[in-house]
Amino acid sequence: AQTVTQSQPEMSVQEAETVTLSCTYDTSESDYYLFWYKQPPSRQMILVIRQEAYKQQNATENRFSVNFQKAAKSFSLKISDSQLGDAAMYFCAYRSALYQTGANNLFFGTGTRLTVIP
Amino acid sequence: KAGVTQTPRYLIKTRGQQVTLSCSPISGHRSVSWYQQTPGQGLQFLFEYFSETQRNKGNFPGRFSGRQFSNSRSEMNVSTLELGDSALYLCASRVAGESTDTQYFGPGTRLTVL
Repeated sequence: AQTVTQSQPEMSVQEAETVTLSCTYDTSESDYYLFWYKQPPSRQMILVIRQEAYKQQNATENRFSVNFQKAAKSFSLKISDSQLGDAAMYFCAYRSALYQTGANNLFFGTGTRLTVIP
Repeated sequence: KAGVTQTPRYLIKTRGQQVTLSCSPISGHRSVSWYQQTPGQGLQFLFEYFSETQRNKGNFPGRFSGRQFSNSRSEMNVSTLELGDSALYLCASRVAGESTDTQYFGPGTRLTVL
C-alpha cells in the first residue's frame, strides 16, 4: 500500500512570511495524483492544491505552490504571505490514477499543524 | 452549487448500539467515499460507492457497512458500536467521470461512543 509521510507535526510562521510544509510518499506506481488539504478548527476538509504526477510543472494556486520532485517522491507545500486564516491542519494525500487500479481512495499523511503568529 | 452535506453533525451513542450516518453529495457527483478520522489512526478510508455499488473497501471490520441510493446519497452504518469507533466520519464526493476527478469533503459527523 502507498504511504504518505509528513515529518513535521507542527510548524509556525509569522504573518506575511513564507512557510514550507514537507511531504514524502512511497509508491511503485508511475501515475498518480497528489493533494494538499487544509482542515481548520471547523473540521471541514478543504482542497488547497493538486498535482498530477505526469505534469512536470509545479502546481500553483494563488499564494499556495508546490515543489514536486517525482524522483525523490517529495511533494512540499509553500505558503507565501501567510495569513491568520491559513492556520489549520494540513494533510498531504496520495491517490492512484484511476485507470491503473480503479481505486479512488486517498492515502493521507498524519498532518502538520500550522500556527500563524500575528 | 451546494457542497457535500452530512447529517447529523454530532451524535452520541452507547456501546453496543448501532448508528446510521448520511451523506448528500454535490449535485452531479456520482461517487461517495467515507473516511474515519481519529487522533490515533489519522484519516483512514472506509469505502467508496459509485452507481449504488461498492467499488472499493478499506480495512475495517464488517460492522462497518454502507449503501448508496439512486440519487447518489449515501449512508454508512456501524453496528455493535465500540468505544474505539468514536471518531469524525468524513464523506467526500466526486464526479466520477472527469479525468481531473477531485474529492470534495463534507463537514463530517462527530460520533462519540460512551
